[in-house]
Amino acid sequence: KQEVTQIPAALSVPEGENLVLNCSFTDSAIYNLQWFRQDPGKGLTSLLLIQSSQREQTSGRLNASLDKSSGRSTLYIAASQPGDSATYLCAVNYNNDMRFGAGTRLTVKP
Amino acid sequence: GAVVSQHPSWVICKSGTSVKIECRSLDFQATTMFWYRQFPKQSLMLMATSNEGSKATYEQGVEKDKFLINHASLTLSTLTVTSAHPEDSSFYICSAPDQMETQYFGPGTRLLVL
Repeated sequence: KQEVTQIPAALSVPEGENLVLNCSFTDSAIYNLQWFRQDPGKGLTSLLLIQSSQREQTSGRLNASLDKSSGRSTLYIAASQPGDSATYLCAVNYNNDMRFGAGTRLTVKP
Repeated sequence: GAVVSQHPSWVICKSGTSVKIECRSLDFQATTMFWYRQFPKQSLMLMATSNEGSKATYEQGVEKDKFLINHASLTLSTLTVTSAHPEDSSFYICSAPDQMETQYFGPGTRLLVL
């Protein structure tokens, strides 16, 4: 069974902290993995896409890593800001059969 | 937990025909549903927000006359790809949030236009 788990479910940090969000998956035969951001009442915004052959992707203050052998991905957010407050979802793509984690709800306090 | 279904799971059609994809929230009501599309090796991208009882909101670059969305009830949204062409071949997925804003995703529909 292909399951995706995100830890922690919720996280509250003061502004300026660096933080790590975790995503684990049970089936390592992935096509790619994506990290999304979701704001209340809005659709998903794609943050980073990592192909199965890649180990990490970076965009601005965000860095996502992928370790297929251990079934893990992390999203690193540097110098967090209140505007980063949102729910972060990871989605594992098994060749167009996608599995989503339940998300991590992040609150960055000013 | 809550479940969102999509039908069909895959469809093959001829160029020029229209294809309808259904998204249903099975045990909760959703005033809003989201439609996404993913091309091979690319990110899942939001196409439009479907609003029950009103017009859908389309993302920039998505043709509203090409991708017709109807949110007919609190448990059903449909996406119709009109006059489909091979470049419309993609993986389409919907999601619906429950009252707690937790998103539930459908299993996706793979469309192949010949």
